[in-house]
Amino acid sequence: DAGITQSPRHKVTETGTPVTLRCHQTENHRYMYWYRQDPGHGLRLIHYSYGVKDTDKGEVSDGYSVSRSKTEDFLLTLESATSSQTSVYFCAISATTGQPQHFGDGTRLSIL
Amino acid sequence: AQKITQTQPGMFVQEKEAVTLDCTYDTSDPSYGLFWYKQPSSGEMIFLIYQGSYDQQNATEGRYSLNFQKARKSANLVISASQLGDSAMYFCAMREGTSYGKLTFGQGTILTVHP
Repeated sequence: DAGITQSPRHKVTETGTPVTLRCHQTENHRYMYWYRQDPGHGLRLIHYSYGVKDTDKGEVSDGYSVSRSKTEDFLLTLESATSSQTSVYFCAISATTGQPQHFGDGTRLSIL
Repeated sequence: AQKITQTQPGMFVQEKEAVTLDCTYDTSDPSYGLFWYKQPSSGEMIFLIYQGSYDQQNATEGRYSLNFQKARKSANLVISASQLGDSAMYFCAMREGTSYGKLTFGQGTILTVHP
């Protein structure tokens, strides 16, 4: 299995609080991605990174920011969480754009 | 317009039978890739099979094969000899050529294998 660790695995928090999810990889892959999964929507891309300090927005980036200060870590931050951000969040990595992405086990985030 | 369409919300198959899960896609990029992922009830995303737009032959991986019909823009997943452990959600996804590897996913098909 690809060495991808997401933390925390579960989190419950209140509306308006900041939340940071971490994705850590041991594969030294260049590309990293954050997706959210909601019923009826499949997975949707939030942000992605194509190198250290190189990030860009995905399809559903409003309310989210990311940072990648080193190859192995990609952080997703909800500056002020809202109930609409309750979801399952997946991190994925790939070595090149042509190779399959491998996913972490997901973080289940509930915002009350 | 939806880039990836999976028209079967749910499918049922008898154990040891073959099943086809449908996926159609929409892109104007001549270079693209199509992926299938499996998500069991435990929640992890498992890569199954890949087909590149320039690949001449349909992809196969063990019991999985991809029926790639480029003119019809379809990339159906065929699972042969279904097993109880194949019961899961299946997602089709597409990467378009200049997209930094970003994937667009379909809504998924829930497959239930009956004994």
